[in-house]
Amino acid sequence: EVQMVESGGGLVQPGGSLRLSCAASGFTFSRYDMVWVRQAAGKGLEWVSAIAPAGDAYYSGSVKGRFTISREDGKNSFYLQMNSLRAEDTAVYYCVRKIWGHGFDVWGQGTMVTVSS
Amino acid sequence: DIQMTQSPSTLSASVGDRVTITCRASQSINSWLAWYQQKPGKAPKLLIYKASSLESGVPSRFSGSESGTGFTLTISSLQPDDFATYYCHQYNSYPHTFGGGTRVEIK
Repeated sequence: EVQMVESGGGLVQPGGSLRLSCAASGFTFSRYDMVWVRQAAGKGLEWVSAIAPAGDAYYSGSVKGRFTISREDGKNSFYLQMNSLRAEDTAVYYCVRKIWGHGFDVWGQGTMVTVSS
Repeated sequence: DIQMTQSPSTLSASVGDRVTITCRASQSINSWLAWYQQKPGKAPKLLIYKASSLESGVPSRFSGSESGTGFTLTISSLQPDDFATYYCHQYNSYPHTFGGGTRVEIK
């Protein structure tokens, strides 16, 4: 079964850091772009970051310079290191598999990040 | 960045109704447009990719079409399970962007 499971969410103070992890299973992880999408409570979906199989990384303007995406193909996992966190980063963060030409076909269940003092 | 303008933001409909949701891109996205359905507390689910291709397992009452930079999601006969929020998503280029969402509620 194809599955993605996030971990690492929690409560952090403004200016703090948090590292999200996503463990994938059921497919050849190294062949796919992997993506983070977030959703604030009662709001729409926001694309955050993506990493290609070769390691090329992409970021939204709202997180560029503060967040870093990485992957570890040997562990079928990828990560989002979030620094200098702000209240507006509070959201559910989903890890997602992207198929070129196909969109986002597999989503994790989401992990909650709350930035508050 | 490519902007995706989705309308309406809320739609009230009855079971059996034909429902149409539109999304317009601020520039060409070469048909790289997907539609997702999201229910409260759940992750989004892919319905349509490449503007008009139906994802495996998705009922045939869902369809997508395009005209230039305009895209449409149609539900031919609304079912009770279809009351949810729908999002369009362009994946032509990074940064990817989503439409603001359309909540389909019971009339």
